[in-house]
Amino acid sequence: GQQLNQSPQSMFIQEGEDVSMNCTSSSIFNTWLWYKQDPGEGPVLLIALYKAGELTSNGRLTAQFGITRKDSFLNISASIPSDVGIYFCAGQLDRNDMRFGAGTRLTVKP
Amino acid sequence: NAGVTQTPKFQVLKTGQSMTLQCAQDMNHEYMSWYRQDPGMGLRLIHYSVGAGITDQGEVPNGYNVSRSTTEDFPLRLLSAAPSQTSVYFCASSSGGYNSPLHFGNGTRLTVT
Repeated sequence: GQQLNQSPQSMFIQEGEDVSMNCTSSSIFNTWLWYKQDPGEGPVLLIALYKAGELTSNGRLTAQFGITRKDSFLNISASIPSDVGIYFCAGQLDRNDMRFGAGTRLTVKP
Repeated sequence: NAGVTQTPKFQVLKTGQSMTLQCAQDMNHEYMSWYRQDPGMGLRLIHYSVGAGITDQGEVPNGYNVSRSTTEDFPLRLLSAAPSQTSVYFCASSSGGYNSPLHFGNGTRLTVT
């Protein structure tokens, strides 16, 4: 099945820096979601986007649903050590059809 | 509030052995699903269920069986384990409403030797 193209694969940043990652697809989606996975745990939902063009924030996180419905980005401002983890994007047509990106592994150096 | 509970957390099998990965949720969610996570490939859907008594195949169903006899439980069975099934398995559930997000368990790490 088709997967989403998520980039970058990994990032090494200094504490306090801003982070940006994105997902693209050749298919359109009705919902874009961003999850974070800590080691040994399951993905946890960060932000859900339901409308093309929607820009949503959750604390230091901001995500946007692309106008074409084929892409989304996630920004993290002023990174802190606990931001370390793997971030996944997911595009959803309906509850039975959700596709995941391969993940962006974020490392934050104090 | 337990959410989605998976057991066991780790498992090692020999090729050809069978086992069942357990998943239970206490949120009265209609929809439950199983994913496998492999390096560099994200999460891929194995099987899903939209309610008790109803199951369907996802993207990578071969080698796995599921059943949904109750709303709470959704076990995943490997009838004859193969090394290609070495992976981390995640169970997830949602309320089933339109665009309702998935809630994931903490995963089962399976190694088949």
